[in-house]
Amino acid sequence: QPVLTQPPSSSASPGESARLTCTLPSDINVGSYNIYWYQQKPGSPPRYLLYYYSDSDKGQGSGVPSRFSGSKDASANTGILLISGLQSEDEADYYCMIWPSNAGVFGGGTKLTVL
Amino acid sequence: QVQLQESGPGLVKPSQTLSLTCTVSGGSISSGSYYWSWIRQPAGKGLEWIGRIYTSGSTNYNPSLKSRVTISVDTSKNQFSLKLSSVTAADTAVYYCARTDYGADDAFDIWGQGTMVTVSS
Repeated sequence: QPVLTQPPSSSASPGESARLTCTLPSDINVGSYNIYWYQQKPGSPPRYLLYYYSDSDKGQGSGVPSRFSGSKDASANTGILLISGLQSEDEADYYCMIWPSNAGVFGGGTKLTVL
Repeated sequence: QVQLQESGPGLVKPSQTLSLTCTVSGGSISSGSYYWSWIRQPAGKGLEWIGRIYTSGSTNYNPSLKSRVTISVDTSKNQFSLKLSSVTAADTAVYYCARTDYGADDAFDIWGQGTMVTVSS
């Protein structure tokens, strides 16, 4: 199974933007997959945030604010979660995920600290 | 509103079979275009997808667990279940059930609260 690489931690200040990355292995083209993003706070199940395939094919989870958005950097084979206007409540773990060959694969997660 | 609830033993002995059930409430497990999945998370670690089932009985499993996993569905009880055989301490985790709508965006849009399973003698 492929390994999705996420930085273990990231931090930003309230009001700033946070850019979380999810790098796919070189043998899997990020352009071919929906990239899903989930948020998890301590003691709670993950929450679906959004998926991103392209600017014309993307979706937002129910009730998820528009300040959460997705994109891709094809040159880096990376999916990106951008959180603008950071709030203290955004402090959480964030996981990316793809569905290669009918088998779900999660990244290792990034712990986002809002300073 | 659809809700999921995991249930099952919280303690399983090594080499035995872990058995969990996810009960779907607020809607029929058979309605719509849904897959029903199991996902686990060891303490302090990341998420691992275990497998999924469609109400027709069609399944997909994580290749790394496939030899030990069986997921089944009981539409009459509005439940689906997980069996993981030959467990070791490495299988100790919080186990979640979740729904994906493959007719929409194939995301895990609804999750159970999770149940902690410890493998220990």
